[in-house]
Amino acid sequence: QVHLVESGGGVVQPGRSLRLSCAASGFSFSSYGMHWVRQAPGKGLEWVAVAYYDEVTKYYADSVKGRFTISRVNSKNTLYLQMNSLRVEDTAVYYCARDVGGVPWDWGQGTLVTVSS
Amino acid sequence: DIQMTQSPSTLSASVGDRVTITCRASQSISDSLAWYQQKPGKAPNLLIHKASSSESGVPSRFSGSGSGTEFTLTINSLQPDDFAIYYCLHYNRYSGTFGQGTKVEIK
Repeated sequence: QVHLVESGGGVVQPGRSLRLSCAASGFSFSSYGMHWVRQAPGKGLEWVAVAYYDEVTKYYADSVKGRFTISRVNSKNTLYLQMNSLRVEDTAVYYCARDVGGVPWDWGQGTLVTVSS
Repeated sequence: DIQMTQSPSTLSASVGDRVTITCRASQSISDSLAWYQQKPGKAPNLLIHKASSSESGVPSRFSGSGSGTEFTLTINSLQPDDFAIYYCLHYNRYSGTFGQGTKVEIK
C-alpha cells in the first residue's frame, strides 16, 4: 500500500524560505518519479515539479523555476521541496504524488504553506 | 505552452443523470490526459489515465474518451458519492497542466 506523508508546512513571511518533506513507504521509492502539486485556497490544482528516480533529472513549472528546488534521497525514501523567496501567491496546500507513466498516481494528504506578513 | 480548457466550470445534476465534462487542449496531446476527482479537504483521486484507461477500483460508471485536442469524462447514472470537483490533467515527462476544474453539484 503506497503511503505518502508530507510535512514541513507552516506560516512564513514573504521572501523567506521553507523546506517541505514527503516520506514514502509501501513501494520501491528509488524506482519511481515523484511530483509536487499545489492548490491555493479555494482554487484549482497546479503542477509544481517532478524529480525522477535517478535523483538528477528534474523539471519545474515556470511559476517556481529559479526559486524552488525539488530533490530526493532514495536511501531515506524521502522527497523534498526547498522553497526560497516565497511570495504570497505561493500560499497553498502542497501535495506529493508518485509518478506512474508520467501521471501523478498516488497522492499524500498535503501540507499547508501560508505566506503572509 | 499547452493550455487545457475545461468546461463547464459548474454542473448541476440529479442522482441518476448522465454527466459529461469536456477538456480541450490548445494543441494535440495524443492521449496524454488524466482525470481526477477531488472532494473537499481531500487529495485528488485518479480516475482515468491515457484518456480512456480506468484506474483499478474506479466504478464502471466513469469513462473517458477522446484523443488529440478534445476529451470527455462521462459519469453514467450519477451517484450521491460523485458530487465533487473533477480535473483533467495533460501530462508528459517534463510538466503537467491541469484544467480549471468542474464542480458537479446537486440540482
